Amino acid sequence: EPEVTQTPSHQVTQMGQEVILRCVPISNHLYFYWYRQILGQKVEFLVSFYNNEISEKSEIFDDQFSVERPDGSNFTLKIRSTKLEDSAMYFCASSVQGLDGYTFGSGTRLTVV
Amino acid sequence: KQEVTQIPAALSVPEGENLVLNCSFTDSAIYNLQWFRQDPGKGLTSLLLIQSSQREQTSGRLNASLDKSSGRSTLYIAASQPGDSATYLCAVVYSGGGADGLTFGKGTHLIIQP
Repeated sequence: EPEVTQTPSHQVTQMGQEVILRCVPISNHLYFYWYRQILGQKVEFLVSFYNNEISEKSEIFDDQFSVERPDGSNFTLKIRSTKLEDSAMYFCASSVQGLDGYTFGSGTRLTVV
Repeated sequence: KQEVTQIPAALSVPEGENLVLNCSFTDSAIYNLQWFRQDPGKGLTSLLLIQSSQREQTSGRLNASLDKSSGRSTLYIAASQPGDSATYLCAVVYSGGGADGLTFGKGTHLIIQP
């Protein structure tokens, strides 16, 4: 069964450093998403991406965040200058047509120290 | 602000019991509602998707219902097994504009005792 693959599974970084979280969506999917889950809290929508541009973003997705699909297969989330409160599990998801049929990756646990 | 609430927050039952998980949402203008399963430290597995025009969906021992007008959904698990132990998340996509992402509830942490 096709999978969404995320790397790394766990990343520890120092406050103020830049991090890039990587995702390989399912190959025939057209819509891509990032979500985050702070420990003990709800899963929260960050951003959706379609046709090589952001289609929607939440208020969490401020100027410190950016997304890119650099090579037609990878989908990345960059945090420019990490803060302690960015520590969370980050999930990538993709879907064929948007709005339903999501497949989620296993997540990257980001720890900012 | 759209809110999704799940009750109970945690549930522990003996194996074999039938059980119901509840989800409510504040705005009935939804495109669809989905139930997910999350195992500790893992990603989200989609269980059932109900479009706004549908009343229920079934998959094996799982049945999800949707009452859009009252802003409620239930997930019914029949003949529970220890392998059903996980956190169950309810999520909606709102059709009223704004972000097309999913809005999640906090989940119900389910433990099935052998």
